[in-house]
Amino acid sequence: DADVTQTPRNRITKTGKRIMLECSQTKGHDRMYWYRQDPGLGLRLIYYSFDVKDINKGEISDGYSVSRQAQAKFSLSLESAIPNQTALYFCATMGTGSYEQYFGPGTRLTVT
Amino acid sequence: LAKTTQPISMDSYEGQEVNITCSHNNIATNDYITWYQQFPSQGPRFIIQGYKTKVTNEVASLFIPADRKSSTLSLPRVSLSDTAVYYCLVAPPGTYKYIFGTGTRLKVLA
Repeated sequence: DADVTQTPRNRITKTGKRIMLECSQTKGHDRMYWYRQDPGLGLRLIYYSFDVKDINKGEISDGYSVSRQAQAKFSLSLESAIPNQTALYFCATMGTGSYEQYFGPGTRLTVT
Repeated sequence: LAKTTQPISMDSYEGQEVNITCSHNNIATNDYITWYQQFPSQGPRFIIQGYKTKVTNEVASLFIPADRKSSTLSLPRVSLSDTAVYYCLVAPPGTYKYIFGTGTRLKVLA
């Protein structure tokens, strides 16, 4: 089984809809991250969390919110989706003091 | 966080050694250099990390000169499956925030 899983893997939604992307990990890591990637571009950090009670905005948090339901679960929500949020979304984890991030398989989101 | 500069793209042929250089002129004393590999529609995957001189693992080697203002990822005898984007990151260990630039798009040709 994969260490970091994301659901759904693909999603098409309409403008204005609320959507939640979920991430679960079995690595026991305390740090979790949400990134988005647009075609031909690198990854941009949306939110990150050091533990259940510590959530921080990344470089592009506007239009997004997150919830850390447990150490193993970190969800990303788009309250009112818009077309320019169409992208590939990745969840990642990392242990404290580590240098290696572990990424999920990604969620391809299309907003029409 | 130190800014990095990499070539946008590179082409190589199967069996050749590929060297991808990353420039990081303002690297800090406690920064480590980390490289990730990303295949299309997949999340990045850690390849190698180093602080100075040379590091080698089963996948790649990382060469870091004494001034640490640049680093070179070396992939020996590449195959078609090494076609991917390679990212160079510079940050202290355990940092909360990595900066992924646009990376270097490596295309391996038959």
